[in-house]
Amino acid sequence: GAGVSQSPSNKVTEKGKDVELRCDPISGHTALYWYRQSLGQGLEFLIYFQGNSAPDKSGLPSDRFSAERTGGSVSTLTIQRTQQEDSAVYLCASSPAPYEQYFGPGTRLTVT
Amino acid sequence: GNSVTQMEGPVTLSEEAFLTINCTYTATGYPSLFWYVQYPGEGLQLLLKATKADDKGSNKGFEATYRKETTSFHLEKGSVQVSDSAVYFCALSDLNGGATNKLIFGTGTLLAVQP
Repeated sequence: GAGVSQSPSNKVTEKGKDVELRCDPISGHTALYWYRQSLGQGLEFLIYFQGNSAPDKSGLPSDRFSAERTGGSVSTLTIQRTQQEDSAVYLCASSPAPYEQYFGPGTRLTVT
Repeated sequence: GNSVTQMEGPVTLSEEAFLTINCTYTATGYPSLFWYVQYPGEGLQLLLKATKADDKGSNKGFEATYRKETTSFHLEKGSVQVSDSAVYFCALSDLNGGATNKLIFGTGTLLAVQP
């Protein structure tokens, strides 16, 4: 079956611009996660959605970052006024159960 | 807080050599433990998992045993192949008290297998 998909696969943006990253989870998975992979910080948790519960935003690095999940399916991660330190690969994962997370291919964001 | 420590890479081996990548963790509660693999140019893939002490996860010839007494989850393979060349990440998640179940990752270990 189809895995987690993310778009775009690559995004180059100028410092100060806003960007939106999209994640389509595996159908039926109730939990959705965003992570960031960067050279300096490794793999970091950003935000978690579970069903209709309030999201866990504890990993978002600043108030320039936000995310939403519409209809319990597709999620969008928005970064406002991008900075060079936002350059990273942004990974989305979904999960049907408490233990296993399935990752998408990621969006490589480059801020120039 | 919870954390994962894994051995620094790169690890360079010849084909058919024995592989060990060390992973230790610090956690409150009773975490589940995972190994993820990232092949060149690809996303993270779950390699194996263990959800309680003394469980052994295994897949594709790789094994790891959840050792609570030593807080370790070392990855092993008896005979590596060139196709195993990738970055390996040890990770934990902690459901204790209804936590988010976010994954906490180690820094990753690059494995390079030479023919």
